[in-house]
Amino acid sequence: GEDVEQSLFLSVREGDSSVINCTYTDSSSTYLYWYKQEPGAGLQLLTYIFSNMDMKQDQRLTVLLNKKDKHLSLRIADTQTGDSAIYFCAERMDSSYKLIFGSGTRLLVRP
Amino acid sequence: DGGITQSPKYLFRKEGQNVTLSCEQNLNHDAMYWYRQDPGQGLRLIYYSQIVNDFQKGDIAEGYSVSREKKESFPLTVTSAQKNPTAFYLCASSVLGQGGDEQFFGPGTRLTVL
Repeated sequence: GEDVEQSLFLSVREGDSSVINCTYTDSSSTYLYWYKQEPGAGLQLLTYIFSNMDMKQDQRLTVLLNKKDKHLSLRIADTQTGDSAIYFCAERMDSSYKLIFGSGTRLLVRP
Repeated sequence: DGGITQSPKYLFRKEGQNVTLSCEQNLNHDAMYWYRQDPGQGLRLIYYSQIVNDFQKGDIAEGYSVSREKKESFPLTVTSAQKNPTAFYLCASSVLGQGGDEQFFGPGTRLTVL
């Protein structure tokens, strides 16, 4: 079945790195996404990774994919107070346009 | 500016009333989607449409209806049959194609049933 799980909450100090984790169950997932949601707003795509990749880096963001363990992580370097938000992991199978979302991880950045 | 707009931002409804949420995009995207978000939960797909005059049910379509008469517009009606309609509703659109196929989201409508 399709299921995406994330931890609910993460708190870090400003300037530290944040690592947000996600596990998924469907091995046929071909695309995995990270979205950011600020309070009362829609979702903003941060990055995505294709399932044949192990890592993708984009400025302060690093995505790691362990396909064997069905584990995805998002690392934010030098975390800033503006990074405080809810981060959603999502998966998509190539045969479907449907996204399966995790429940979101609330990141709190302390000054 | 290209983007997705949703209106209204806040909506209050009495029990037993139908209400329609607006979603418009000027990105020339073929596909449009409606999601529902409840506190502490991820997004759940209500309906989606890949082409004008065609749409499919998502995971939680009961109590909702949609139409897709124009490419730019995908309104969602929350009917009185929806037992627990209070939630944050998000509309999204995407280009139908290969690759990452990013879904762009609107700012959302918060519906409260009184």
